[in-house]
Amino acid sequence: KAGVTQTPRYLIKTRGQQVTLSCSPISGHRSVSWYQQTPGQGLQFLFEYFSETQRNKGNFPGRFSGRQFSNSRSEMNVSTLELGDSALYLCASSMDRATGELFFGEGSRLTVL
Amino acid sequence: GQQVMQIPQYQHVQEGEDFTTYCNSSTTLSNIQWYKQRPGGHPVFLIQLVKSGEVKKQKRLTFQFGEAKKNSSLHITATQTTDVGTYFCAGHRDSNYQLIWGAGTKLIIKP
Repeated sequence: KAGVTQTPRYLIKTRGQQVTLSCSPISGHRSVSWYQQTPGQGLQFLFEYFSETQRNKGNFPGRFSGRQFSNSRSEMNVSTLELGDSALYLCASSMDRATGELFFGEGSRLTVL
Repeated sequence: GQQVMQIPQYQHVQEGEDFTTYCNSSTTLSNIQWYKQRPGGHPVFLIQLVKSGEVKKQKRLTFQFGEAKKNSSLHITATQTTDVGTYFCAGHRDSNYQLIWGAGTKLIIKP
């Protein structure tokens, strides 16, 4: 069974640009969550999608958005990039919302110059 | 708001010594999960505890869930270099199924 796939793995952008990250969950998993992780920091929750609907949202500005498609694949977008957006963005999928363990992808490492 | 406090932030141990990390929630959790993130890697699920007072073991790792379902601990006996990494706890709250994360404890083995 394939794991969670995130693309791209690495990317470099400049301030003011926008970026779109993609996540393909494990087959059969309907819940997808996104996290931001900066060096030495924990996991900052961005949002969670289940059945194409955003179910929970973390404390991030509106520049951060996401969506989920009918095949459970998810994308997140960051507009008007700032230097502080440089981070590892992790996607995780789970079978269900209430008790499911999370399976993380390897992440997309974004550098903003 | 609801949060999960995890301590310590770092723990330096000699190889062979024990390691413990603790998580405390401000409110009752429906379950607690533990993850390990190796340096340069992504978090990997270790275990989930659901019942009040539950204790589970995985070889040298012992996980506990408190009676009130508000606290949990992970204890590693006789640490090895392969244990290096950051250990995170995360708990589901019942109201909206959101998973609340601790800040992680980084285990460092002294050379």
